[in-house]
Amino acid sequence: GESVGLHLPTLSVQEGDNSIINCAYSNSASDYFIWYKQESGKGPQFIIDIRSNMDKRQGQRVTVLLNKTVKHLSLQIAATQPGDSAVYFCAENIGGYNKLIFGAGTRLAVHP
Amino acid sequence: EPEVTQTPSHQVTQMGQEVILRCVPISNHLYFYWYRQILGQKVEFLVSFYNNEISEKSEIFDDQFSVERPDGSNFTLKIRSTKLEDSAMYFCASGVREGQETQYFGPGTRLLVL
Repeated sequence: GESVGLHLPTLSVQEGDNSIINCAYSNSASDYFIWYKQESGKGPQFIIDIRSNMDKRQGQRVTVLLNKTVKHLSLQIAATQPGDSAVYFCAENIGGYNKLIFGAGTRLAVHP
Repeated sequence: EPEVTQTPSHQVTQMGQEVILRCVPISNHLYFYWYRQILGQKVEFLVSFYNNEISEKSEIFDDQFSVERPDGSNFTLKIRSTKLEDSAMYFCASGVREGQETQYFGPGTRLLVL
């Protein structure tokens, strides 16, 4: 895929299991966080976001948890499906600066 | 659903040549960005653009790079004299407004400099 992942950590799960992808962010001043999914040959696709005044946010089959104390972000995917196979990136944003700072990415491999 | 589009999908060029990468952001968006992703590495911010001017640029975005919004729809990234290390995927993104930070990405242009 375009995000390659020759050296990406890989999470392998069975179809139907829950997946948890973790991310450590760098800047304690970051106040907005996004999870992106990148499939082979495509650009990053928005999944879910969370602001720093929250510690949990749920979407359809996905939940993002934010622990500001240890600067940790996680993405939980319920009932993982083969279509969830992709590279997942967390990104952080510092208010007013607009640029996104991306993490290194995790490859999720879903096995039937 | 509106989406960001980019052309070309792939470009091969000789070192020292100029390339122009094109993007059509989502139509009602006001903030535009370029990022790149070198093979095997993370996505890196290059530049943000708002109100017809650069609002922020990274240290990667040196004098060889420029951006332009020549009309109401296109947003371009020009590399004047390409180097081998410019080989990467280049992503365009757009956002609605400050305070709504979600950025929507295009499919990317794979640039290969020989």
